[in-house]
Amino acid sequence: GENVEQHPSTLSVQEGDSAVIKCTYSDSASNYFPWYKQELGKGPQLIIDIRSNVGEKKDQRIAVTLNKTAKHFSLHITETQPEDSAVYFCAASKRTDKLIFGTGTRLQVFP
Amino acid sequence: DTAVSQTPKYLVTQMGNDKSIKCEQNLGHDTMYWYKQDSKKFLKIMFSYNNKELIINETVPNRFSPKSPDKAHLNLHINSLELGDSAVYFCASKTNTGELFFGEGSRLTVL
Repeated sequence: GENVEQHPSTLSVQEGDSAVIKCTYSDSASNYFPWYKQELGKGPQLIIDIRSNVGEKKDQRIAVTLNKTAKHFSLHITETQPEDSAVYFCAASKRTDKLIFGTGTRLQVFP
Repeated sequence: DTAVSQTPKYLVTQMGNDKSIKCEQNLGHDTMYWYKQDSKKFLKIMFSYNNKELIINETVPNRFSPKSPDKAHLNLHINSLELGDSAVYFCASKTNTGELFFGEGSRLTVL
C-alpha cells in the first residue's frame, strides 16, 4: 500500500523567512496530494492541494510543487508569520481511495 | 455553522467501560471517515463509510464498531476500553474530488 514520508519533523524559522516541508510517496498511481494545517486543539484543515497533472500550484504565500518522476512533493511558505505556527501534514491518494498522511511537521515561527 | 461536528469534545473514562462518539456532517457528502491521532500526532485511518456502507476497515480491533444510520452521520462505539485507546479521534467527510473536511476532534482519555 501507499506510504508517505515527511521531513522535517520540526522546523523553526524567523518571522519573514521561508519554510519548506518535503514529502515522498511510494505508490506511483497516487494522483492527489493535499496539505493540511492543524492548529492546537483543532482538526486538520486543507490549505492547498495538487493533482498529478500539475507541477506547481500557488495560493498567496503558500505553494506546492510535485515531481512525479521522483515521487516527491513539497510545501513552500514564504514570508512566514507567527500565525503560520502549526503542525502541517502532507497526504497522498489515488483516485477516490483513502488518504494516507505523512507523519507531520511542527512549524514554529518566531517573531 | 460547523460543517463536521463531533461530540463529545472530551471524554474521560475508566478501563473496561463502553463509550460512543457521535459525528454529523451537513455538507451533503457521501463518504465519511474516522481517524485516530496518537500522542505523536500520527493520523491513522480507521473506517470509511460511503452512503451508509462500510468500505474501509483498517484492521481495527472489533471492540470498535462504527454505525452509520444515514449518510450524514457516522458514530463510533468502543467496547471494553483499554489504555491504548487514549487518543484524539477525528471524524471527516469527503467531497467527490477527494478533499477531506475534519471535525474538531474528540479527545478520549482512558484511566
